[in-house]
Amino acid sequence: DTAVSQTPKYLVTQMGNDKSIKCEQNLGHDTMYWYKQDSKKFLKIMFSYNNKELIINETVPNRFSPKSPDKAHLNLHINSLELGDSAVYFCASSLQGGSSYNEQFFGPGTRLTVL
Amino acid sequence: GDSVTQMEGPVTLSEEAFLTINCTYTATGYPSLFWYVQYPGEGLQLLLKATKADDKGSNKGFEATYRKETTSFHLEKGSVQVSDSAVYFCALSEWYGMRFGAGTRLTVKP
Repeated sequence: DTAVSQTPKYLVTQMGNDKSIKCEQNLGHDTMYWYKQDSKKFLKIMFSYNNKELIINETVPNRFSPKSPDKAHLNLHINSLELGDSAVYFCASSLQGGSSYNEQFFGPGTRLTVL
Repeated sequence: GDSVTQMEGPVTLSEEAFLTINCTYTATGYPSLFWYVQYPGEGLQLLLKATKADDKGSNKGFEATYRKETTSFHLEKGSVQVSDSAVYFCALSEWYGMRFGAGTRLTVKP
């Protein structure tokens, strides 16, 4: 069974479009995250979310918005896509976000290409 | 703010060579430290972790010791294999997520 899954694996779209990436975890974790990995492999957190609060990295444009229909899902919506949004996006989850002891489990990633 | 600095790659080794990938950190508190590995085309997998000073994390022949005095968490393996070729990320935990180093690409040649 896949612990953290993402769909789609690849997403190719035109500038200006709106798209979503889905993430699901079956680990019973209470905190989920979105990370962006650029072409140089640098990873940066975008959002952290549990059922109590959303933490947003202040550098993330407001065109990006996470949506959580339930505890097991955290989808990423992106409006008005730009060329610079091309990257690999990783979803992750952990127990007890806010505790420094718990590792995060990552999904396989979604490679977004904006043309 | 907190930060993680890794040695720049790429690193190329022959099979059975000794591996060290340096990682140092700055943090205001006492974070847990992690090494993640990313194989080509895949997501990140936890390799090992340490939650307090002097803890040693180990897995699959890899080891790293949490050194508070030198703020370091260097990754070592005594004898690398071709299958260890991947990108390795050092990371520390912050209350809202992980902060990663830039990653070090390791290539092991037969």
